Parts: sequence; C-alpha cells; structure tokens
Amino acid sequence: NAGVTQTPKFQVLKTGQSMTLQCAQDMNHNSMYWYRQDPGMGLRLIYYSASEGTTDKGEVPNGYNVSRLNKREFSLRLESAAPSQTSVYFCASSVGLTVIQETQYFGPGTRLLVL
Amino acid sequence: EDQVTQSPEALRLQEGESSSLNCSYTVSGLRGLFWYRQDPGKGPEFLFTLYSAGEEKEKERLKATLTKKESFLHITAPKPEDSATYLCATDNTDKLIFGTGTRLQVFP
Repeated sequence: NAGVTQTPKFQVLKTGQSMTLQCAQDMNHNSMYWYRQDPGMGLRLIYYSASEGTTDKGEVPNGYNVSRLNKREFSLRLESAAPSQTSVYFCASSVGLTVIQETQYFGPGTRLLVL
Repeated sequence: EDQVTQSPEALRLQEGESSSLNCSYTVSGLRGLFWYRQDPGKGPEFLFTLYSAGEEKEKERLKATLTKKESFLHITAPKPEDSATYLCATDNTDKLIFGTGTRLQVFP
C-alpha cells in the first residue's frame, strides 16, 4: 500500500508557464483534497472532491483548476503560473461519504518554485 | 469566523522534559479535532482524532485531550525523535481548518 502518492516532487516554472500536479491514492477513498502550505499560513484548502465526479472550491481556488479523473486520481492544474503560487502542495484523501469528519491522509508533497 | 490557534509557535525541550502544546479553536458545532505530526520535507502524518469534550487518546509518549474550547498535546519524557512540527485541525462542515503548528525541538 503506497497510500497517497504525488508527482513531481520538485518543479521550477517560469511565470506564465502551465503545469499539472498529479495525485493518486490506493486506499479506495472517496474524498480527495489539494492544499498549499506556506510559511506562517498553515495548510489552506485549494479544491476538494467529495466523491468521484464532483469538485468544489476551497479557501484559495483562484489560479487553479482540478480534475477528478477517476476514484484514485485527482490532479491540480496551474494554467498560468505566478510567483505567488510558489508553495508546497499537498494532496490528501479520506474515506468520505459520511456525516462524521473523516481523517485525511496526506501525500509527501510537491515543492513548486515560480520564477 | 472559524479559527484555530496553536501555541507556542516553537518549543525547545531537553530530552525527558515533559511539556504541553495548545490548540484553541472557535468552530461552531465541532465534529472532530485532529492532531498531525509533520517532519521537515514530508507530508502531515495523522496522530489522533478527538470527537467530544473530555475525550483523551494516547500513543507512546503523546497524549491528546479535548475541552470545549481547546485541545492539548501532552508530551511525556520526550526523545529527540519526537522533534517535528505538530499541527492541529478542526472541521468546518466537510473541510478541515488547520493551525499554523508548533515546531518542537528535543535536545539530547
């Protein structure tokens, strides 16, 4: 069981370039999440997918798009990268589909630098 | 506004010196309080979930407790391998709100 995996581990982009961050989980979880982590700001939710076929905005969605490709995979796309998007991005998943808050399990992160 | 505040921001302990980390929250209708450990360059690792005031959970040298307004993570006789950033989070309907963490360093 790999848990939650993310690719790539590191990426450097120039302003205006686009890229897609990939996330996959092998725990048969229904819900998946994308966060960014910045110094002094804590983890902030970008987008989430409560179940396959649905996506919703989180706290900081501007400049990002997501795709829930199937139950296992949830990708995050930066269409035109900006220096303000320099951050560490984490994907997480949870069992989901219950009214009780479920524990989220995190991937190892993608470190993105936008020049 | 729902908010999670952790204190202190940083804590330095001698090996064996017990202490507590605090997580205070203002969330209407708390459904869960989560503690995570995060090592440098890695993703958060789940430690505990607490659901109701008075609940306690333990794992090795760590014990988490919950009241109606705050949670404590007690570290008993810490070791250098306990050095990490400890994050707490509460839920807001179907999303988690994270604090900024307490960076713990334990020296031999």
